[in-house]
Amino acid sequence: NAGVTQTPKFQVLKTGQSMTLQCAQDMNHNSMYWYRQDPGMGLRLIYYSASEGTTDKGEVPNGYNVSRLNKREFSLRLESAAPSQTSVYFCASKASGPSYNEQFFGPGTRLTVL
Amino acid sequence: AQSVTQLGSHVSVSEGALVLLRCNYSSSVPPYLFWYVQYPNQGLQLLLKYTTGATLVKGINGFEAEFKKSETSFHLTKPSAHMSDAAEYFCAVSVNNNNDMRFGAGTRLTVKP
Repeated sequence: NAGVTQTPKFQVLKTGQSMTLQCAQDMNHNSMYWYRQDPGMGLRLIYYSASEGTTDKGEVPNGYNVSRLNKREFSLRLESAAPSQTSVYFCASKASGPSYNEQFFGPGTRLTVL
Repeated sequence: AQSVTQLGSHVSVSEGALVLLRCNYSSSVPPYLFWYVQYPNQGLQLLLKYTTGATLVKGINGFEAEFKKSETSFHLTKPSAHMSDAAEYFCAVSVNNNNDMRFGAGTRLTVKP
């Protein structure tokens, strides 16, 4: 049981390049999330998917797109990277139901945009 | 929307001393409250959570937190700090088991020998 996995761990892009961050979970969770973490700002929600086939914007969605490929996988795409998107990106997942309000986090992807 | 304020971006304590990390929340409906810990270059790990019921919540590694509705607070404590507690700690709030969890800015805990 690997939990939440993310690839790649590190990435350097030039301004304008595109890339996709991958996330997968093996806990059969319905909900999945993408956050970015910046110094002094905590984690901010970019997009989430409450269930397979649905996605919704979070607090800071501009410049990103997401795809919920299936129940296990949720990808984040940067179409034209900008230096302001330099950050650490975390994927998380959560089970449904009133008793399951904990989000489980992946190890993160450290992205630098030059 | 709900929000969280963590007082103190850095807290330093001596090994064996009390750890107190402060968190205040804002929410118009009963909140779910969480403390997460992040060790260097790792993801976030849940320490403890408050959903309903007992307001004093015990978590892993000897940490506990008390939900005080009158003070809109959820401070994290540990009676005796250990060197291994050095990490960044995040308080978070969500409401109605929804998907919009809001995190505080984090508090970096340093433990001095």
